Order: sequence, then C-alpha cells, then structure tokens
Amino acid sequence: LAKTTQPISMDSYEGQEVNITCSHNNIATNDYITWYQQFPSQGPRFIIQGYKTKVTNEVASLFIPADRKSSTLSLPRVSLSDTAVYYCLVGAGERDGGSQGNLIFGKGTKLSVKP
Amino acid sequence: DGGITQSPKYLFRKEGQNVTLSCEQNLNHDAMYWYRQDPGQGLRLIYYSQIVNDFQKGDIAEGYSVSREKKESFPLTVTSAQKNPTAFYLCASSMRGSHSSTDTQYFGPGTRLTVL
Repeated sequence: LAKTTQPISMDSYEGQEVNITCSHNNIATNDYITWYQQFPSQGPRFIIQGYKTKVTNEVASLFIPADRKSSTLSLPRVSLSDTAVYYCLVGAGERDGGSQGNLIFGKGTKLSVKP
Repeated sequence: DGGITQSPKYLFRKEGQNVTLSCEQNLNHDAMYWYRQDPGQGLRLIYYSQIVNDFQKGDIAEGYSVSREKKESFPLTVTSAQKNPTAFYLCASSMRGSHSSTDTQYFGPGTRLTVL
C-alpha cells in the first residue's frame, strides 16, 4: 500500500506562508497526490491534486519533485480559518492489495494558526 | 444545489440496537463510500460501491452492512455485532470509482453516532 508520512502538527501565525511536507516513498507510477482539508466535525474537503512539478489553484500550491517520493502543500498567507487537519493521500491501486477505489487517509497534519 | 447529504447529524443508540445512517447524493456520481473516524485519527474505509446493486467491503466492514439499490443512495447499517460503534461516520461519493487517485471524493457533513 502506498502510505504517506506527515508531521503530526504544525503551528503558524496569521499572514505567514505554511508548507506541509508529505513523504510517500512507495508511490506508484500511476498515482496522483491529493490533499484534503478537514475542520472539526466536518467531512474532508478536496484542496489540490497533482502528479509532478507544480500545481497551483486559488487555495494552495503543490510542489512535487522529480522523484515524486515527497510533496509539499503550500498555503500562502494563512488566516485563523485555515486551522484544520490536512491529509496527504496517494491512491491505493488494486495491484497493491488495497481496497479498490480507496484513498488511504493517515492521521494528517493538524495546523494551528495563531493571531 | 448539488451535493452529498447525511442524516441525522447526531444519533444516539442503545447497546444491542441496529441503526441506519442515511447518505444521499445528487451529483450523479457512480461511486459511494462509507468511512469511520475516531477521535484524533484518520478515516478508515468501511464499505464502498462503484455501481448500483454492487458493493465491496473495505478495511473494517465487520459489524456493518450496506445496500445500493439506487444510484443516489447508500445507507449504512451499524449492527449490534459492531463492538465499538461510537464514532464519526462520513459518506463520500466520486464520479467514477476507479482505481485512479485522480477520482476525487466529495464528502458529506458526517453523522456522529454515540452508543449509550
């Protein structure tokens, strides 16, 4: 199974840029990297997805090096409302023995933004 | 207004009772999923369905049952056989339900089940 490793928690202050790095050493050739955000007592929300190099949308940027064994989610100028848990996921394909169609959610990174 | 809904938001159950959690989507998605989340933990897959009238066990299916009689509905029953059912239950749907990790999952608001 393509597992991921993220820091358990991070602290930041309003207005700062936050970078959360995720390791996925066993990522498969066809796997994409997906990040979700979850607020307490809510369902996770899709943030961004990428395969290689850099992807940017209105919320975040995703940086993926050439070997794809890690990725970094970048949140520009965070605010208090960005306090949440951020999950990094790669697909668990059938050949890996994972549940088909399943994305494996680890414990995520709990980001705390302070004023 | 498209989306995925779950009801009820909070549910209390006595030990030994079965309870059914509702999940409905109007996104015209083929695939639907049920996850369980315990405090401070990630999500664990209970069941998923890639097409109507078909569903597969996830990693922690014991003590749960599902049905998929309609494309838009995927109810989850927590049976009395589930040893520790108190948790936050999340339903999700995706367009294709393929093996590809490009198939983004969209989540409902969740149901918090408490066994008294």
